[in-house]
Amino acid sequence: DARVTQTPRDKVTEMGQEVTMRCQPILGHNTVFWYRQTMMQGLELLAYFRNRAPLDDSGMPKDRFSAEMPDATLATLKIQPSEPRDSAVYFCASARGEETQYFGPGTRLLVL
Amino acid sequence: AQSVTQLDSQVPVFEEAPVELRCNYSSSVSVYLFWYVQYPNQGLQLLLKYLSGSTLVKGINGFEAEFNKSQTSFHLRKPSVHISDTAEYFCAVSDRGTYKYIFGTGTRLKVLA
Repeated sequence: DARVTQTPRDKVTEMGQEVTMRCQPILGHNTVFWYRQTMMQGLELLAYFRNRAPLDDSGMPKDRFSAEMPDATLATLKIQPSEPRDSAVYFCASARGEETQYFGPGTRLLVL
Repeated sequence: AQSVTQLDSQVPVFEEAPVELRCNYSSSVSVYLFWYVQYPNQGLQLLLKYLSGSTLVKGINGFEAEFNKSQTSFHLRKPSVHISDTAEYFCAVSDRGTYKYIFGTGTRLKVLA
């Protein structure tokens, strides 16, 4: 049963610290997405990659967020420095091409 | 630009009653349509999808949805709900040829005993 995995599941940090979230897409999926979910904004697309190349990161605050795919089995989302307003659940999803996206369980981030 | 509207933010319904969760989108040039369910503290799970073919789509857990191109709608239905269906439901639309989903704001279904 292939699944998207995300680590860590929960993260509590202090303002100003660096946060790195990791995602392992489903094997064979060539498109990877990062979303953020908050009560106020709902689900927001932050960035996505196809064949490891960034296609769109317009949803991401550029000054503090960065997303990369070092290889086909790992996607990372980094926040530096973190701020309390970054507190949210961050989801990774993967897909084969442009069809169905499969979501990971999320990383719940709390920035104090 | 594509947009998705889920008019009902919350839908309370009694157990074993039927339910319909509404979803409308703005542009119908050529789209893929999806419904996801999110249980508390979990990720989004695919319920069903419309890519092409029959406009009536059946999904998991007894849910179905109908693609109506003229009304740009993709409403989700279930003839008899269970307590375990209590969750948040998201409609998503993707323009063919793109990779991006546009999600609705979600509908919280609460099934009452």
